[in-house]
Amino acid sequence: AQKITQTQPGMFVQEKEAVTLDCTYDTSDPSYGLFWYKQPSSGEMIFLIYQGSYDQQNATEGRYSLNFQKARKSANLVISASQLGDSAMYFCAMREGGEDTGRRALTFGSGTRLQVQP
Amino acid sequence: ETGVTQSPTHLIKTRGQQVTLRCSSQSGHNTVSWYQQALGQGPQFIFQYYREEENGRGNFPPRFSGLQFPNYSSELNVNALELDDSALYLCASSSGGPGRTTGELFFGEGSRLTVL
Repeated sequence: AQKITQTQPGMFVQEKEAVTLDCTYDTSDPSYGLFWYKQPSSGEMIFLIYQGSYDQQNATEGRYSLNFQKARKSANLVISASQLGDSAMYFCAMREGGEDTGRRALTFGSGTRLQVQP
Repeated sequence: ETGVTQSPTHLIKTRGQQVTLRCSSQSGHNTVSWYQQALGQGPQFIFQYYREEENGRGNFPPRFSGLQFPNYSSELNVNALELDDSALYLCASSSGGPGRTTGELFFGEGSRLTVL
């Protein structure tokens, strides 16, 4: 079974509108972390936001927020007030095991290509 | 910029050859991991090095090997190249080891390998 599933290969959004990118995950580990990365055409993976499995509140970082629904095993990324520079690939990723394990390996989904239209 | 640099940025090899990719991690980071990203896919974990020792490996054959040096820079070596090894190879550094961090990875821009 896929550990990280991103069901939207591509998304379009109008500039200044909000957009939600979907991500579901599968793990039996009670302690895990969820990440979103942005990958522009340059190839570099840019960290956006992190949610720990025991975090009580949804993570927010500027225009990015993570809609974490633990029971449904979903971790959707919400981008508010989209900008042209937001056009890129977006990847959801998971680290199994707690933050104190020293393990840093991430399992990535297949990504969603977001295109922001003027 | 993340402070993680990789070289070379692009290279072309033929089947059966060997390749070495290099990575300088962000200052203060003692953990380096390598990922392979085939076209149109998400990155796949190859292995992780912490304080010069491999301490995690993904589903890759032994012809994928690595090193981490005392300054925490790293190399990825691939022997007996196959056509399917064509991909973007991403290096990521983080502050590893036991301890309370989010464990976020800081990636370089990658080395794009083409195998003919």
